[in-house]
Amino acid sequence: GESVGLHLPTLSVQEGDNSIINCAYSNSASDYFIWYKQESGKGPQFIIDIRSNMDKRQGQRVTVLLNKTVKHLSLQIAATQPGDSAVYFCAENPSSRGGSYIPTFGRGTSLIVHP
Amino acid sequence: GAGVSQSPRYKVAKRGQDVALRCDPISGHVSLFWYQQALGQGPEFLTYFQNEAQLDKSGLPSDRFFAERPEGSVSTLKIQRTQQEDSAVYLCASSLAARSEQYFGPGTRLTVT
Repeated sequence: GESVGLHLPTLSVQEGDNSIINCAYSNSASDYFIWYKQESGKGPQFIIDIRSNMDKRQGQRVTVLLNKTVKHLSLQIAATQPGDSAVYFCAENPSSRGGSYIPTFGRGTSLIVHP
Repeated sequence: GAGVSQSPRYKVAKRGQDVALRCDPISGHVSLFWYQQALGQGPEFLTYFQNEAQLDKSGLPSDRFFAERPEGSVSTLKIQRTQQEDSAVYLCASSLAARSEQYFGPGTRLTVT
């Protein structure tokens, strides 16, 4: 069935390095994507979003890239810090749901930042 | 300002017991969502309210699950006759409008023994 998934379940990086977290989706009807960060014992926290009419969006230290041709989404974190250690989820909102935004979450990637 | 709060934070129930999980959304937020998150997985949608109206309950796994939001603010998720497979973190989120950014609470970790 259609799903959102991540390529790497765990990513370990050194402090100061750039991190790239990847996500594949298969629902071509999805028109809106969000990256969330979830720290231990907390709920997911919005990081950045992108609509299907864009291929790149930048925030503070984060960039999301969307490649609709291959249905691939990535989150780039610049100068990764220990505080970035968390599980990162991509989520899609299939346009067919319409009306309300109800994200479909992928499995998640655990980012571990070593000082 | 205060974010979304949930109580209790942890709940241990014996199989067959009923439980009630509470969500206090951000004041003024119209939309409220419940999700279930199994260990190592992403949150999965359960149900959604707009004010007091439950507009979508397609994610509720069985008729043992019931949610309400009678006055359009606080919401309660009730699980009757709990089973071990109900063990998970139950997340609540609220948003200003249906397609606005969702703010998540810390979740309630339910363990059914």
